Amino acid sequence: QVHLVQSGAEVKEPGSSVKISCKASGYPFSAYDMQWVRQGPGQSLEWMGWINGGTGEVRYSENFQVRVTFTTDTFANTGYMELSHLTSEDTAVYFCAKTRGNFFDFWGQGTPVIVSS
Amino acid sequence: QTVVTQEPSFSVSPGGTVTLTCGLDSGSVSTSHMPSWYQQTQGQAPRILIYNTDLRFSGVPDRFSGSILGDKAALTITGAQADDESDYHCMLYMGSAVWVFGGGTKVTVL
Repeated sequence: QVHLVQSGAEVKEPGSSVKISCKASGYPFSAYDMQWVRQGPGQSLEWMGWINGGTGEVRYSENFQVRVTFTTDTFANTGYMELSHLTSEDTAVYFCAKTRGNFFDFWGQGTPVIVSS
Repeated sequence: QTVVTQEPSFSVSPGGTVTLTCGLDSGSVSTSHMPSWYQQTQGQAPRILIYNTDLRFSGVPDRFSGSILGDKAALTITGAQADDESDYHCMLYMGSAVWVFGGGTKVTVL
């Protein structure tokens, strides 16, 4: 049974960084890409990019390329998403998801991030 | 920047049929975009319904179906039920390991 369990809610000040974790279980972590998606308040989903669980290869959306870093800890079957230089527009729920082919079959529960002074 | 278009909202009667669409601001959606559809209930994570245009994910009721209609991808709910009231998001594969989501459609069942 596949599970993706994310770290808890965060409150950050503008200009700071946030790092979210996503612990995977129930599938071979190294064999699949982990996607990151966010959803602002009342907004739709926004694709941020992915990281391969085994090789560490990454692909970032152009919208986040300069501010986001994906990493993994293969021993802990955990992926991480770090977003820097936060502004109020980064207030959102951040999701990790497992890739299968060209779609995302299992999702984490989401991590709310509030950026406020 | 690629914009994927969806209707903002739809209303359907219980037992009725509704078809949501997913288009591109420039060009047509085809099977090469591998359209997928996700259902999201308030406060929950998205859940995959349809992938690769018309394939139903395991456990998804057969009242959900996917297709290409004209130049758009489509999700049809046949025999809508109260618990189908959700947001529905389409996602397109743009090549080069890049994906884009649509704006989402809010479906009300009443």
